[in-house]
Amino acid sequence: SQQGEEDPQALSIQEGENATMNCSYKTSINNLQWYRQNSGRGLVHLILIRSNEREKHSGRLRVTLDTSKKSSSLLITASRAADTASYFCATGSNTGKLIFGQGTTLQVKP
Amino acid sequence: SQTIHQWPATLVQPVGSPLSLECTVEGTSNPNLYWYRQAAGRGLQLLFYSVGIGQISSEVPQNLSASRPQDRQFILSSKKLLLSDSGFYLCAWSVFGTNTGELFFGEGSRLTVL
Repeated sequence: SQQGEEDPQALSIQEGENATMNCSYKTSINNLQWYRQNSGRGLVHLILIRSNEREKHSGRLRVTLDTSKKSSSLLITASRAADTASYFCATGSNTGKLIFGQGTTLQVKP
Repeated sequence: SQTIHQWPATLVQPVGSPLSLECTVEGTSNPNLYWYRQAAGRGLQLLFYSVGIGQISSEVPQNLSASRPQDRQFILSSKKLLLSDSGFYLCAWSVFGTNTGELFFGEGSRLTVL
């Protein structure tokens, strides 16, 4: 079953702008992760945030987690054409499995 | 460093034919191994996962099966493919004991059943 739901499904921005993607989930989690997938390729892990953390940074990436609202956001600052990809959130829980959302397709126009 | 290999990269098979997709991991021991399927424009569906040789857990009923004959080898099989088996299949691994930790994915195998 799919737990994470990303919003928006698709996002198109100009190079240099910030991109924000949201993820909502339904059950309690241990952690939430974000992955990136270039077209036709495997997924690449971007960042993991634990349930007791509220914000995490990695380079141009900023992830927030609000467990009371069961939601997370991924912010990519100063976007580049190379950031064009699909982005997925995945939730880890006591079930011992990662459940992926449907993804947000980001297009960054040069 | 660890690497994951998955093959074949693309496959076109007729309905009713068998399937074998292979995945191997290098540079780590006793990894957790996973098979996911991704339909076009969709998220990932977990099909199978394994925490050790011969230990396979199936997530969804289907005509696919998985086997782990060696520590770092994971095979996805079918005896008779259905049209609905078409999709992008991804193998992944994680560090043993970290079932909800970071996943490392292969490059995927695109299967088209005609």
